[in-house]
Amino acid sequence: AQSVAQPEDQVNVAEGNPLTVKCTYSVSGNPYLFWYVQYPNRGLQFLLKYITGDNLVKGSYGFEAEFNKSQTSFHLKKPSALVSDSALYFCAVRPPYSGAGSYQLTFGKGTKLSVIP
Amino acid sequence: EAGVAQSPRYKIIEKRQSVAFWCNPISGHATLYWYQQILGQGPKLLIQFQNNGVVDDSQLPKDRFSAERLKGVDSTLKIQPAKLEDSAVYLCASSLVIAGGITDTQYFGPGTRLTVL
Repeated sequence: AQSVAQPEDQVNVAEGNPLTVKCTYSVSGNPYLFWYVQYPNRGLQFLLKYITGDNLVKGSYGFEAEFNKSQTSFHLKKPSALVSDSALYFCAVRPPYSGAGSYQLTFGKGTKLSVIP
Repeated sequence: EAGVAQSPRYKIIEKRQSVAFWCNPISGHATLYWYQQILGQGPKLLIQFQNNGVVDDSQLPKDRFSAERLKGVDSTLKIQPAKLEDSAVYLCASSLVIAGGITDTQYFGPGTRLTVL
């Protein structure tokens, strides 16, 4: 069975500093990995995904994530945090494709990011 | 491009009552998902449709939850009778089907926040 761990419930960072939100995963085969962001009273908004190729994936709003197969990690990063980045961040994993069917997306429990002015 | 639409945004009911949620996916997205997100947790898949057929309902509590997507577009999720533990945000998502039945990135609606008293 696949699983995702987000070890930090909350991350605090000063505005302008770099931020990292951690994610590790467990899945059979090569993973498909995703990051979503959730603002209060809103649905999940897609940020970026890793399918294959370059280990550094660039996404929306200046976010990027680094895939590390040996450490089974997919940490979300941003060089300079903004107050508007404060939100709940979810990492998700799904197994690789092996034909049509259900490829359930499994989410972590989320990390609350607070960017302090 | 319009996103995933959901209604109502909020619903308060008493236990043992029934409730229904509606979802309209992004135009052209053949795959539709319903998720349950309990406070402090990541979303959990309840059911996945491809067109009007069910792909995965393994985590749907079928004694009280039902869902349909009769014409392969809009979908309705129903709870009857509701329990206190059903208090959660119910998220609808949709995705394209690429060649071979493979599904693409999931895009989420704003969700319906259900409170069961």
